[in-house]
Amino acid sequence: SQKIEQNSEALNIQEGKTATLTCNYTNYSPAYLQWYRQDPGRGPVFLLLIRENEKEKRKERLKVTFDTTLKQSLFHITASQPADSATYLCAPGRGSYIPTFGRGTSLIVHP
Amino acid sequence: NAGVTQTPKFQVLKTGQSMTLQCAQDMNHEYMSWYRQDPGMGLRLIHYSVGAGITDQGEVPNGYNVSRSTTEDFPLRLLSAAPSQTSVYFCASSNSTDPNGQYFGPGTRLLVL
Repeated sequence: SQKIEQNSEALNIQEGKTATLTCNYTNYSPAYLQWYRQDPGRGPVFLLLIRENEKEKRKERLKVTFDTTLKQSLFHITASQPADSATYLCAPGRGSYIPTFGRGTSLIVHP
Repeated sequence: NAGVTQTPKFQVLKTGQSMTLQCAQDMNHEYMSWYRQDPGMGLRLIHYSVGAGITDQGEVPNGYNVSRSTTEDFPLRLLSAAPSQTSVYFCASSNSTDPNGQYFGPGTRLLVL
């Protein structure tokens, strides 16, 4: 069965550094991959979508890459700020825009 | 636009009781879905709908029923609540052609005693 893996350990970084989060998947060939942000006690909020024919996508301080050979997506936040502290979920999918979610990685940005 | 709304925000049930979690969206989205989120388990899809009158099962459908009589509403029914259904439930909606991902509601926290 398909498996989506995100680092369960929290990522701690200093303000101003680049945060890099990893999403690996197996037994799956997604046509797209979405990234969401979730704050405690709230629903996830969509950040970016990247399709299988796209290598990289950017939005302000965010950058996502999608390597279908490695079966991996990397999510980067440049010039990180304490306000970026949250849990980040990756969600690959095919067909309809109802993807499967990974368990998420917690990011903590220290001032 | 209110987006996706969910009621109630919090509910306590006794084992065996039934209840309906309400979800509504005002964005005219075709797709709606229900997820549960448990610590360490991430978001798991319970049921989803690709349009009024059409529903399908997700990863963890047992113990839950859904119906989609209108585009706006997608209620989730717990037939006979069990402690294993203690969780946070999120409803989401999206368009089939919208690359802006899913819009999530604020969640319903359910405790089954």
